[in-house]
Amino acid sequence: NAGVTQTPKFQVLKTGQSMTLQCAQDMNHNSMYWYRQDPGMGLRLIYYSASEGTTDKGEVPNGYNVSRLNKREFSLRLESAAPSQTSVYFCASSGLAGANSYEQYFGPGTRLTVT
Amino acid sequence: SQKIEQNSEALNIQEGKTATLTCNYTNYSPAYLQWYRQDPGRGPVFLLLIRENEKEKRKERLKVTFDTTLKQSLFHITASQPADSATYLCALEGSGYSTLTFGKGTMLLVSP
Repeated sequence: NAGVTQTPKFQVLKTGQSMTLQCAQDMNHNSMYWYRQDPGMGLRLIYYSASEGTTDKGEVPNGYNVSRLNKREFSLRLESAAPSQTSVYFCASSGLAGANSYEQYFGPGTRLTVT
Repeated sequence: SQKIEQNSEALNIQEGKTATLTCNYTNYSPAYLQWYRQDPGRGPVFLLLIRENEKEKRKERLKVTFDTTLKQSLFHITASQPADSATYLCALEGSGYSTLTFGKGTMLLVSP
């Protein structure tokens, strides 16, 4: 099993450009997540999908959109990139590990620079 | 609002010693708490989960305690090795269904 995969690994964008970050998981997990990680700020949740067909905002959703394409795939779109979106983006997935507990499995990350 | 605090200063210890990392939280009554390890340039990796009704959990050289009165979890690595050097994150259930809120992590450096 590949676990959680993300593409691309690195990306440089100019301000105003758009792009989509792709994420896929092969663990048959119901829930998927997008985080950004910045120095000194830790991991912050952008959007999540508790199950196929649903998406919800996390802590920092502004400037992003998501699509839960099917159970396996969850994409993150930046419509008009800004320098403040320079970050490392992680996708994660989780399944029900026990009563009300959700351990998450992370992808390798996408390093995005917006100039 | 919910707040999770982990020591921002790196913890430096010698090989063979026990490393103890702290996670404090406020404005929370989480049903469980999780610990993750993150190596530079990689995504976090799940280590342990402890529930509110469990005082202690062990896995090999790892031990986690969860004190809901003190609102604190301690993460111990016994007989530490240089390979244990990494950043360790604690996480509590978030406000959304199936979500987690992460602390900023503490870097552990184990010297030979």
